[in-house]
Amino acid sequence: AQSVTQPDIHITVSEGASLELRCNYSYGATPYLFWYVQSPGQGLQLLLKYFSGDTLVQGIKGFEAEFKRSQSSFNLRKPSVHWSDAAEYFCAVGATGFQKLVFGTGTRLLVSP
Amino acid sequence: EPEVTQTPSHQVTQMGQEVILRCVPISNHLYFYWYRQILGQKVEFLVSFYNNEISEKSEIFDDQFSVERPDGSNFTLKIRSTKLEDSAMYFCASSEGVGGTQPQHFGDGTRLSIL
Repeated sequence: AQSVTQPDIHITVSEGASLELRCNYSYGATPYLFWYVQSPGQGLQLLLKYFSGDTLVQGIKGFEAEFKRSQSSFNLRKPSVHWSDAAEYFCAVGATGFQKLVFGTGTRLLVSP
Repeated sequence: EPEVTQTPSHQVTQMGQEVILRCVPISNHLYFYWYRQILGQKVEFLVSFYNNEISEKSEIFDDQFSVERPDGSNFTLKIRSTKLEDSAMYFCASSEGVGGTQPQHFGDGTRLSIL
């Protein structure tokens, strides 16, 4: 079965600084990987997805993520964080033959002035 | 951009009562899902629905729960005889293709509070 670990519960970053949120997955075959963002009181918005091919994927709002099979990781990055990026970020994994997405516990991003 | 819409945004119900949560998926999507998020916990899969039948469900989705697509646009989650532990945010999602391999698009959720 698939599983996802997001080791950081909270991260605080200064506005304008770079960001990296960690995600590790566990799945025996090729995973389908997603990052979602949840602002307070809102639903989950898809930031980006990885299915195959180029291991560096670009998403919305200036985010990117890199798939590293050897490390079972799919870390989310942004070169310069804006105050509006403060939210909770969820990594999720899907797989062929399954309908569901399995989510990590989330990382809450705080942006300091 | 098309979006998934959910109603109501907040539902307060007495324990033991039945509740129906409603969702309008994106119009050209074929796969529909319900997830829940208990406060402070991760988002958990409940059920997926395709071609008018359940295609996958979790161990959480027991006989207390049911889903239905009563017409061409709505997708509902019914919880019979609600319990305190059913208090959570319930998210509806939809996708064009099979959910494990396609992006799922989520609504803003219904916060269910059981008293």
